[in-house]
Amino acid sequence: GESVGLHLPTLSVQEGDNSIINCAYSNSASDYFIWYKQESGKGPQFIIDIRSNMDKRQGQRVTVLLNKTVKHLSLQIAATQPGDSAVYFCAENIGQAGTALIFGKGTTLSVSS
Amino acid sequence: SAVISQKPSRDICQRGTSLTIQCQVDSQVTMMFWYRQQPGQSLTLIATANQGSEATYESGFVIDKFPISRPNLTFSTLTVSNMSPEDSSIYLCSVGGAGTSTDTQYFGPGTRLTVL
Repeated sequence: GESVGLHLPTLSVQEGDNSIINCAYSNSASDYFIWYKQESGKGPQFIIDIRSNMDKRQGQRVTVLLNKTVKHLSLQIAATQPGDSAVYFCAENIGQAGTALIFGKGTTLSVSS
Repeated sequence: SAVISQKPSRDICQRGTSLTIQCQVDSQVTMMFWYRQQPGQSLTLIATANQGSEATYESGFVIDKFPISRPNLTFSTLTVSNMSPEDSSIYLCSVGGAGTSTDTQYFGPGTRLTVL
């Protein structure tokens, strides 16, 4: 079946650097995307979402970019902090209210100080 | 966002027994879902818990193994039946549609199950 995937399983950065986590999706019908952060021993935490009628959305220190042409999603974290260390998942659905999410494989972000 | 709690937070169970996991939300929600996350893996949907009707299961998951209840708009249970070591996972509930219709889903803290 179609699924969301991440390009890199791990990413290591220095504190203060900008981090970019990538995700490729294959379902052209997907029109809603979410990024989650999962810290060790916790459930996934909502970070930011974007709909397919947008190319970019910004939050606090985070930006999500959507390129529908190549079916690519990215999460940018500015001034990465040790507290950002976690596993990051992208997830998609086809936009119908109540439709369950399809998750990618996850990228482990390690931030060293 | 909704505040979601799960009980128990973790458990160690013997093979062949069953465990019921509870998910409680602090507000009425339209949709509730149950996911499984095997060690070091991503999340896989088990089923959608429908209020007032039978749950909708994904391929590979059956009601006899994972019976689900949803008696109201704030509560659901997932039972892992006749457990084997392969059932050792984190089980997560999520909610959507809180208040107005929305696709955003929020997750509970998870239940960490170890089967010996």
